[in-house]
Amino acid sequence: ILNVEQSPQSLHVQEGDSTNFTCSFPSSNFYALHWYRWETAKSPEALFVMTLNGDEKKKGRISATLNTKEGYSYLYIKGSQPEDSATYLCAFSKQAGTALIFGKGTTLSVSS
Amino acid sequence: NAGVTQTPKFQVLKTGQSMTLQCAQDMNHNSMYWYRQDPGMGLRLIYYSASEGTTDKGEVPNGYNVSRLNKREFSLRLESAAPSQTSVYFCASRTGASGANVLTFGAGSRLTVL
Repeated sequence: ILNVEQSPQSLHVQEGDSTNFTCSFPSSNFYALHWYRWETAKSPEALFVMTLNGDEKKKGRISATLNTKEGYSYLYIKGSQPEDSATYLCAFSKQAGTALIFGKGTTLSVSS
Repeated sequence: NAGVTQTPKFQVLKTGQSMTLQCAQDMNHNSMYWYRQDPGMGLRLIYYSASEGTTDKGEVPNGYNVSRLNKREFSLRLESAAPSQTSVYFCASRTGASGANVLTFGAGSRLTVL
């Protein structure tokens, strides 16, 4: 069983703060790394998919980077807003055709 | 667009009872998945179907069976429910089994086994 680790498990920030989370995954046989956003009482929704070392993706105030050689990805949120409060999941695929394995998530709470 | 539809949304079972969770997608996706979500455990893969006619075990398959009925539908069956199967179950689908394809999730089914 592959191990996908996310840190921190949870964090609380003030509105306007910038923050980042880490996802660690096995660096061998890497194929793809996904980030999902999961709001309470809703279903997870895809944010980014990255496949190449050095990939950077951005959607509004949220961005992500990927280092496949050392096996980690960062998710950044600039100027956090209360609506950013959610659990952020990363998921790893080791080769084409295999299912995604999820980390336990980082739960972000943003207070105004 | 309906996307991924799961039924039922809520179910309470007694130990030993059986039930089937239904999942259907209308996006013409080839691959479908069942995950369970437990507090502190994240999403764990139960079974998946990379394409119509195939199914494979995930991380936690014990106590479950699946059927890929057709391209649209992928059901999860609990033959003899146990309290350890109390969980929220999510069905998901994607275009194909390539690791670069994103998942679309259903709304979840909350199952309680007494």
